[in-house]
Amino acid sequence: EVQLVQSGAEVKKPGESLKISCKGSGYSFTSYWIGWVRQMPGKGLEWMGIIYPGDSDTRYSPSFQGQVTISADKSISTAYLQWSSLKASDTAMYYCARGGYGGNTRKWFDPWGQGTLVTVSP
Amino acid sequence: EIVLTQSPGTLSLSPGERATLSCRASQSVSSSYLAWYQQKPGQAPRLLIYGASSRATGIPDRFSGSGSGTDFTLTISRLEPEDFAMYYCQQYGSSPPLTFGGGTKVEIK
Repeated sequence: EVQLVQSGAEVKKPGESLKISCKGSGYSFTSYWIGWVRQMPGKGLEWMGIIYPGDSDTRYSPSFQGQVTISADKSISTAYLQWSSLKASDTAMYYCARGGYGGNTRKWFDPWGQGTLVTVSP
Repeated sequence: EIVLTQSPGTLSLSPGERATLSCRASQSVSSSYLAWYQQKPGQAPRLLIYGASSRATGIPDRFSGSGSGTDFTLTISRLEPEDFAMYYCQQYGSSPPLTFGGGTKVEIK
């Protein structure tokens, strides 16, 4: 069974750094793109970016470029989303999801991780 | 970047009724690369439809997708109690970012 399991909820203060994770299993982790999606409280889904764990090729939405860093460690089948200095406006649920195979970035997301809730509050 | 507009924002219907959800793109979506997702409160989104009209594994046949170019539709033929949820469309026909629509809430009337 293809599964993505995300790290647990985080409560941080503004200015702090954070790295959340997404571990894949049940498939060849290095062969599929992994994406990150933000959902702010009561709001819709926002596509943040994708990474190809095989060679760490990464694409960002212009809205998130420079605001977050997406990375992956293929040796442990895990992708990451990190912030160097959190803001209150980063409070949201963050989902990872599996995307396309190989060089194909043009693919739907399936399956999705269970989500990681990030709360940033003074 | 392709902008997707979903309508209506909220659809109030009774179980057994037919639901028709719209997703309109700001420019043509290449090769009908359009997906639909369902999200229930407290849960991650779940893929329903890909390629505008292909049902994902395990999705009941009361869910159907149609459309091409800039206009796409998700139809739920007869609403079951478990179908009341948020629905999002996503285009994946362009280079990243692969954008989502704003969502349609299907609520019990």
